[in-house]
Amino acid sequence: NAGVTQTPKFQVLKTGQSMTLQCAQDMNHEYMSWYRQDPGMGLRLIHYSVGAGITDQGEVPNGYNVSRSTTEDFPLRLLSAAPSQTSVYFCASSGLAGGPEPTGELFFGEGSRLTVL
Amino acid sequence: GQNIDQPTEMTATEGAIVQINCTYQTSGFNGLFWYQQHAGEAPTFLSYNVLDGLEEKGRFSSFLSRSKGYSYLLLKELQMKDSASYLCAVYNTNAGKSTFGDGTTLTVKP
Repeated sequence: NAGVTQTPKFQVLKTGQSMTLQCAQDMNHEYMSWYRQDPGMGLRLIHYSVGAGITDQGEVPNGYNVSRSTTEDFPLRLLSAAPSQTSVYFCASSGLAGGPEPTGELFFGEGSRLTVL
Repeated sequence: GQNIDQPTEMTATEGAIVQINCTYQTSGFNGLFWYQQHAGEAPTFLSYNVLDGLEEKGRFSSFLSRSKGYSYLLLKELQMKDSASYLCAVYNTNAGKSTFGDGTTLTVKP
């Protein structure tokens, strides 16, 4: 069982470039989310989705786009990269009520370390 | 909005007990999670409280008081491998999302 898979694990961009971080989960989770984590800080929510076709903004959505065309995939797009977007990005998923694990328990991908020069 | 506070750093000795506190003020609450994150790795689930009281899982216990907006994570018989960051997160069912505190970095010394 792969769980949550994120690619790439490392990426270096120049200011102004665009890119997509991929996230896929095979646990049939309805909820998926993207967080960023900066040194010495916790996780800040960028965007999230409670099901296919539904997305919403988190705390720090500016400069990022998401889409949820399938239950499995939730890509994060950086439209025009800026040095302030240098961070570690985590994709996470959870089942909603009725599953075997506590409702809201997040399963994380391994993270994508992005550097913007 | 959400406001979640935890100490930035703590140090403890191998074999000892340490308590990591978390206070929160939130607009919606449906559960409190604790996650462990080793340096360079992803967070992993430790414990979960939805009702007041103590939940025990081996060397780890977590306590919740909803009326006080307070939780703590208790780690017993500390081991060197417990050196990690511990993240407190409040889950809101209505919003369908978790909000995290900044994490507490625990260093266990011999």
